[in-house]
Parts: sequence; C-alpha cells; structure tokens
Amino acid sequence: DAGVIQSPRHEVTEMGQEVTLRCKPISGHDYLFWYRQTMMRGLELLIYFNNNVPIDDSGMPEDRFSAKMPNASFSTLKIQPSEPRDSAVYFCASSEGGGMLDTQYFGPGTRLTVL
Amino acid sequence: RKEVEQDPGPFNVPEGATVAFNCTYSNSASQSFFWYRQDCRKEPKLLMSVYSSGNEDGRFTAQLNRASQYISLLIRDSKLSDSATYLCVVNIKSGYSTLTFGKGTMLLVSP
Repeated sequence: DAGVIQSPRHEVTEMGQEVTLRCKPISGHDYLFWYRQTMMRGLELLIYFNNNVPIDDSGMPEDRFSAKMPNASFSTLKIQPSEPRDSAVYFCASSEGGGMLDTQYFGPGTRLTVL
Repeated sequence: RKEVEQDPGPFNVPEGATVAFNCTYSNSASQSFFWYRQDCRKEPKLLMSVYSSGNEDGRFTAQLNRASQYISLLIRDSKLSDSATYLCVVNIKSGYSTLTFGKGTMLLVSP
C-alpha cells in the first residue's frame, strides 16, 4: 500500500512567488496534518484536518499561509507571497483516527528554498 | 521553558554499546508519549510508544516517569543502522492527535 505522497520533493523559488505544496494521505485515513521542520524550531504542527475539515490552524504562522483539503485524498498548503524565512522542509502526515495512540505516518517531505 | 526538551547530542558510541537518551516535558497534563526516529533527510517514523509501565521492543526500552516528567529511551547492543536522530514526542491535548516534537537527539554509531 502506498504511503503518504507529497509533491514536489524539492522546490526552489524566489521571494514573493506563490508556492503550492501537495499531499495525498494514506487511503482510509481520516486525519491529515501539515508540519514544518527547521533547524532552529524543529518540527512544528501547522494545521490539521479531520474528514477534510480544518480543526486547528493555530500553528499557521501568518496569513500568507493557507491550507485546503477539497476531498479525502488531496490537500494543499499554499504560501503567498513566499519569503526566505519560509525555507524549511514541509511534511504531510496522516492517521487513521484522532486518538492519542493513533500513529501518524509521514510523507517524504517537500524541501522548500526561497531565495 | 520549552514544551519538550532533548539533549541535541550527538552521542557518539561504538557498535555494541548501550546508550540512553532522556527527554523532559513541561505540561503535566500530557497524555501520551512516543519516540520517533528520523534518518538524515528523511521523514520521521514511529519507533515506539511509551507506556506508564515501561515497554520493550527488542533492543529498545522506553520508560516514562510522570512524577518527574521525563521519558527515556535505552538502546542496547547498538548497530550502525541505529545512527539517526531520535525525536521525543508528546501528545499534550487530550483527545486529539496533536503531537509536540522535541528537536531530537542525534546518535552516531561507529564501527
């Protein structure tokens, strides 16, 4: 069975450009999470969805970031306009349930560089 | 105080050695605890959950001390393939799978 799929794997863009990151969760998983990882701050939760509905977006850094989940098999994280400090690895993860012991499975990540 | 704190390391150990990592968490209401492993330039993967009674999975043993608010991971008979960053993870919000990650402890196992 395929794991969490993310695209692109690498993205290099210039400051001010729009960036769209994509994620396909594991089939049957009801929860989807977006994380950002940097050396300085480690792995941070940005937002998560349950059954395509955003539940908690308190980790989204600012209005330049937005996330959508139009259906159970697809989600996007958009940054507009992008800034150099957005450079990070962005991970998408999914889990079958939202219980405390439900395992989150991570995708391979998108390495974003904003010049 | 940071929510989840770990010694970043690196811990350099020879093959066959026993190594232990600790992690402290600040929120006494934390509900569940995990160790994730992250290889260089890869995604985090669940290594093991940490139960109140402690648990063991092969060469790996995890312990939880709620009174002192720390979690430990013990690796016995280290292998070269154990070289990775180990992330301490805490679920702080009750009822929802919102994980808070430590920055990780790097382990380097040498021949």
